[in-house]
Amino acid sequence: GQQVMQIPQYQHVQEGEDFTTYCNSSTTLSNIQWYKQRPGGHPVFLIQLVKSGEVKKQKRLTFQFGEAKKNSSLHITATQTTDVGTYFCALNSGGSNYKLTFGKGTLLTVNP
Amino acid sequence: GAGVSQSPSNKVTEKGKDVELRCDPISGHTALYWYRQSLGQGLEFLIYFQGNSAPDKSGLPSDRFSAERTGGSVSTLTIQRTQQEDSAVYLCASSLAMLGLGGSPLHFGNGTRLTVT
Repeated sequence: GQQVMQIPQYQHVQEGEDFTTYCNSSTTLSNIQWYKQRPGGHPVFLIQLVKSGEVKKQKRLTFQFGEAKKNSSLHITATQTTDVGTYFCALNSGGSNYKLTFGKGTLLTVNP
Repeated sequence: GAGVSQSPSNKVTEKGKDVELRCDPISGHTALYWYRQSLGQGLEFLIYFQGNSAPDKSGLPSDRFSAERTGGSVSTLTIQRTQQEDSAVYLCASSLAMLGLGGSPLHFGNGTRLTVT
């Protein structure tokens, strides 16, 4: 089955520092989605990447899809306390594969 | 409009009892997903519905777990003879379209926190 590895598992930063989480798949992907889950909350959709080498930005967040469509990253510039939460990548292999397989997530904590 | 609604929000049950968890998706969303999340862990895929059909039930942990969806809307996840290892948050999500057709974001409910004592 599809394997997904997300690293690091935890990241603690000082407010203002940058943060990056990486997601790697064992198979070529159709698309990848990123979600954020605040403590005590439910996952909320952030973005979807579809094209090889795609880069998308949302304010301080930069999302990248690898050229081979097997890995992705989420980078946050100058973290704020509001960025605290767990960031999940979610993988879809496309075709008749409807499953959205989630990584284990990266828990980000920010020290003010 | 209203988001995905799950009930109950919390459920405490004794080992061996049956429980039913309910999910009311966003109106018009044809796809419905059930995931399980243990404390501090990722999301474990359980089952997916397209309309009322569940093409793949292989994510269900055991035959004590079953799910159905009626009228292309509400879904129930039933756990029979609950065990302590079933304790987790059960999350339901819905989306507009089936994955693989350009993908579609999942909209999650707040989940049902199940505790088996």
